[in-house]
Amino acid sequence: DTGVSQDPRHKITKRGQNVTFRCDPISEHNRLYWYRQTLGQGPEFLTYFQNEAQLEKSRLLSDRFSAERPKGSFSTLEIQRTEQGDSAMYLCASSLDTGHSNQPQHFGDGTRLSIL
Amino acid sequence: GNSVTQMEGPVTLSEEAFLTINCTYTATGYPSLFWYVQYPGEGLQLLLKATKADDKGSNKGFEATYRKETTSFHLEKGSVQVSDSAVYFCALSDSKSGAGSYQLTFGKGTKLSVIP
Repeated sequence: DTGVSQDPRHKITKRGQNVTFRCDPISEHNRLYWYRQTLGQGPEFLTYFQNEAQLEKSRLLSDRFSAERPKGSFSTLEIQRTEQGDSAMYLCASSLDTGHSNQPQHFGDGTRLSIL
Repeated sequence: GNSVTQMEGPVTLSEEAFLTINCTYTATGYPSLFWYVQYPGEGLQLLLKATKADDKGSNKGFEATYRKETTSFHLEKGSVQVSDSAVYFCALSDSKSGAGSYQLTFGKGTKLSVIP
């Protein structure tokens, strides 16, 4: 068990550019989540995959954001035409599907996005 | 909707002092409750969890009891150490939130600093 890994750890880009982040979940976990965390706040839910299906998206996820999880393994989160307000830590988490709310989610170290 | 309220930080304690971080919640269903910890420069780690009323979660000397009557899940430790300095997040996962995603709803976090 190597844990959830995210790449890159840091991304600095100019406003208007597109960025893509990658998440590799724990291998046997079929649930994958993306969260966004801004300074001084707790993480906020963005979207959720069960295997390769994206089953839920938050209202926070504008149409500039898109996430994929091809083949139910790694996932990517893309932000198009980045804006200053997109600066945040983007966290990925995974968990095992047992049909109960008590399964803990395991988090990666996050990708910190800074928009110049 | 679901929400989690934590006591405002930062909290500064001397080594071996008693710690309490208050957490109350609002949920539409029957949530599972979690405490996550974020050490400087690291990702979120699960500290402890409780899945039903009167359950007590414990780990590394920390404890929290699921109190349904007061909708609370306060974190306690009898004697803190310098190494406990971190940001602590209370969170809930509710089977009735969203399309069965069991997404986590977090509090804003409480920063704890322990001085020798």
